[in-house]
Amino acid sequence: AQRVTQPEKLLSVFKGAPVELKCNYSYSGSPELFWYVQYSRQRLQLLLRHISRESIKGFTADLNKGETSFHLKKPFAQEEDSAMYYCASFSGGYNKLIFGAGTRLAVHP
Amino acid sequence: EPEVTQTPSHQVTQMGQEVILRCVPISNHLYFYWYRQILGQKVEFLVSFYNNEISEKSEIFDDQFSVERPDGSNFTLKIRSTKLEDSAMYFCASSVGLANRDTQYFGPGTRLTVL
Repeated sequence: AQRVTQPEKLLSVFKGAPVELKCNYSYSGSPELFWYVQYSRQRLQLLLRHISRESIKGFTADLNKGETSFHLKKPFAQEEDSAMYYCASFSGGYNKLIFGAGTRLAVHP
Repeated sequence: EPEVTQTPSHQVTQMGQEVILRCVPISNHLYFYWYRQILGQKVEFLVSFYNNEISEKSEIFDDQFSVERPDGSNFTLKIRSTKLEDSAMYFCASSVGLANRDTQYFGPGTRLTVL
């Protein structure tokens, strides 16, 4: 079965430090991967989609098919980046999203 | 910017009761979805809906669940006889649907508590 793995439940950094949120996927075809962010008490919001190759709020993510990873990175964390981050992938040929367990990013002043 | 909306934000019900969770997808979207997240667990897909019928459903989506688009705007999830384990956050999502695998936009969720 297709899986999305986020190995870290919590990532705690200081403001200005680099951030890398890890995501690994298992899928034999051409994956389509997303990062969603959920700020406190708010909805899941799309942060990045790998096919768009955009940089949103300073975050980037590169698909590495060799390592089956789609890690989310930001060079300098800000306090307002504190949130839950979910990596997700479409499942096979269908429109359902498979989510990772999520990583809580805490950025301290 | 248009958003998916959901009502109520919190629903408390007794075990065995029926509940209906409501969603208003983004107006020009054609694909609709329900997901749920039990406290401390992953967000899980329940069902997708397109052209007035279910296009895919998960193992969780058994006979106790149903979805409906009763008018041109609402998209509902009904749980016929709630169980304690149905307590979760339920998220509605929608996508444009002009191409397969469009980006899905999520509502704020309804927290369902079954007592």
